[in-house]
Amino acid sequence: ETGVTQSPTHLIKTRGQQVTLRCSSQSGHNTVSWYQQALGQGPQFIFQYYREEENGRGNFPPRFSGLQFPNYSSELNVNALELDDSALYLCASSLPGRTSTDTQYFGPGTRLTVL
Amino acid sequence: AQRVTQPEKLLSVFKGAPVELKCNYSYSGSPELFWYVQYSRQRLQLLLRHISRESIKGFTADLNKGETSFHLKKPFAQEEDSAMYYCALRSGSARQLTFGSGTQLTVLP
Repeated sequence: ETGVTQSPTHLIKTRGQQVTLRCSSQSGHNTVSWYQQALGQGPQFIFQYYREEENGRGNFPPRFSGLQFPNYSSELNVNALELDDSALYLCASSLPGRTSTDTQYFGPGTRLTVL
Repeated sequence: AQRVTQPEKLLSVFKGAPVELKCNYSYSGSPELFWYVQYSRQRLQLLLRHISRESIKGFTADLNKGETSFHLKKPFAQEEDSAMYYCALRSGSARQLTFGSGTQLTVLP
């Protein structure tokens, strides 16, 4: 069983650019959630994808968008990057449900720096 | 809106001493609460959830609805417990997690 993987590990962009971050979910998991973790803070929920549809969204502007593919991998896209977008972006996969099977398993994260 | 507060950013204890990491929450519904841990150079991982009422690595946490708290406790801390600990509340249609800002625990020899 493979765990959640994310790419790239690190990324440096300039203000105004666009970025795409990628996540491969744990084997068998069909739900992917994205979180933003600013320095010194806990992760903050961006959105979730279930069966290729957005299934919930946190308090993030529309320039944060995502996709989920038939193999359940996912992308996070951020347009018009701002300095405050500098953060660790975490992906978590899970199975939907209300039992122990819906534990969210986290990836190692992508560190985005916006200059 | 839901909120999770961890009042201590840093906590140091000596090996063998008891440790308590505080977590308070604000939520209008019936809460589902979790503790996540991140060891050095490792990814965030689930430590325990209140619904399981289990002890993991000697840690326990009791949900106190009256005080809206979910403190994490261990009677005898070990050096390998040194890590960042996050309290989280699950809610919403996506059952997303709302995290506190974390407590860095250091267990001194």
